[in-house]
Amino acid sequence: EDQVTQSPEALRLQEGESSSLNCSYTVSGLRGLFWYRQDPGKGPEFLFTLYSAGEEKEKERLKATLTKKESFLHITAPKPEDSATYLCAVTSGGSNYKLTFGKGTLLTVNP
Amino acid sequence: KAGVTQTPRYLIKTRGQQVTLSCSPISGHRSVSWYQQTPGQGLQFLFEYFSETQRNKGNFPGRFSGRQFSNSRSEMNVSTLELGDSALYLCASSPKTGAISTQYFGPGTRLTVL
Repeated sequence: EDQVTQSPEALRLQEGESSSLNCSYTVSGLRGLFWYRQDPGKGPEFLFTLYSAGEEKEKERLKATLTKKESFLHITAPKPEDSATYLCAVTSGGSNYKLTFGKGTLLTVNP
Repeated sequence: KAGVTQTPRYLIKTRGQQVTLSCSPISGHRSVSWYQQTPGQGLQFLFEYFSETQRNKGNFPGRFSGRQFSNSRSEMNVSTLELGDSALYLCASSPKTGAISTQYFGPGTRLTVL
């Protein structure tokens, strides 16, 4: 069964203080790793899809990377509006393409 | 293009009742998946429908069921509600199944069971 572990559970940063969120996974044949952002009371918002080790994707202050065992979401010079819960999910051939999510990292960026 | 819509947004029920939640996918999307989100368990997969057929099912009791209509709209039903069914129920749509396809989520339905 696919497993996803995210760390840390919560992260508090000052505006402009760069950091990384971690997503470790155990799957039988990774097909895709997804990053979502979720604001309180809303549904997850899609950020990135990564398919193979070594792949990187960027969007504004966010950069996602993928290795064979984990993914990192790097946040460069964050702003208060980046505060949210960041969710990592995987899908594999063994799971018949359902998404298995981690518990998320709650990011708070203070001005 | 309009996003995934879910109705109702909020629902309060009592134990033993049943409830039906509705999801309209993004236009052109044929796959609809349902997830339950709770503070303790996070997001958990319920089931996925494609072309009116259930393609995948998570580890939930038979009280949880769903269906998909010919226009790709989907409903999920929970019978004999329990207090532990209180959660945010999220619907996600994607263009296709059987391949890696990004799922786009709706705003969710907040179900409270008293």
